[in-house]
Amino acid sequence: DQQVKQNSPSLSVQEGRISILNCDYTNSMFDYFLWYKKYPAEGPTFLISISSIKDKNEDGRFTVFLNKSAKHLSLHIVPSQPGDSAVYFCAASTGANSKLTFGKGITLSVRP
Amino acid sequence: GAVVSQHPSWVICKSGTSVKIECRSLDFQATTMFWYRQFPKQSLMLMATSNEGSKATYEQGVEKDKFLINHASLTLSTLTVTSAHPEDSSFYICSATGGKTYEQYFGPGTRLTVT
Repeated sequence: DQQVKQNSPSLSVQEGRISILNCDYTNSMFDYFLWYKKYPAEGPTFLISISSIKDKNEDGRFTVFLNKSAKHLSLHIVPSQPGDSAVYFCAASTGANSKLTFGKGITLSVRP
Repeated sequence: GAVVSQHPSWVICKSGTSVKIECRSLDFQATTMFWYRQFPKQSLMLMATSNEGSKATYEQGVEKDKFLINHASLTLSTLTVTSAHPEDSSFYICSATGGKTYEQYFGPGTRLTVT
């Protein structure tokens, strides 16, 4: 049973436009959500996170939105840049220092 | 800040031998470290969670006698793949977290190839 789902395997966006990456979860015990960016043969890099008590967190070009009632979160990247092309993983946690449950990832391609 | 290193970055070994992978937190004390495995084009699969000074907690289906994890200090955890076989070939990644925090910081990964 996949508790964190990233249903779209890939997304292609024109440079300068907005990229919207979606993530759904099923476990109501998740109280913290994170987005990671990963290049091939490298470890994931932490991007941005959000606590379940918030519905939005913004950091530069990256904004994460959380809809608890729908068990849905999304990562917005605006404006998108070619360097943003990578695999993005959504992850969820049930507590500090707890394990993360990852989605399968979505490959973002930003076209120049 | 929050830098995690892994060594080696890649290793080739013969079937039947053992390989040790190190994971270090360079600028913070890692109370908890995690070991993941990633197959090509797949998500990260958590193998085990280790807390400094205590035995690792393994995920279901992960053989604890095959994948030995030691977290002897607040900055170092090791994963030893014992009696490696070709099916153990994979990309192994560690992560670390320190204090009461949710964010995990990942190492660069180790590519293991067993011939």
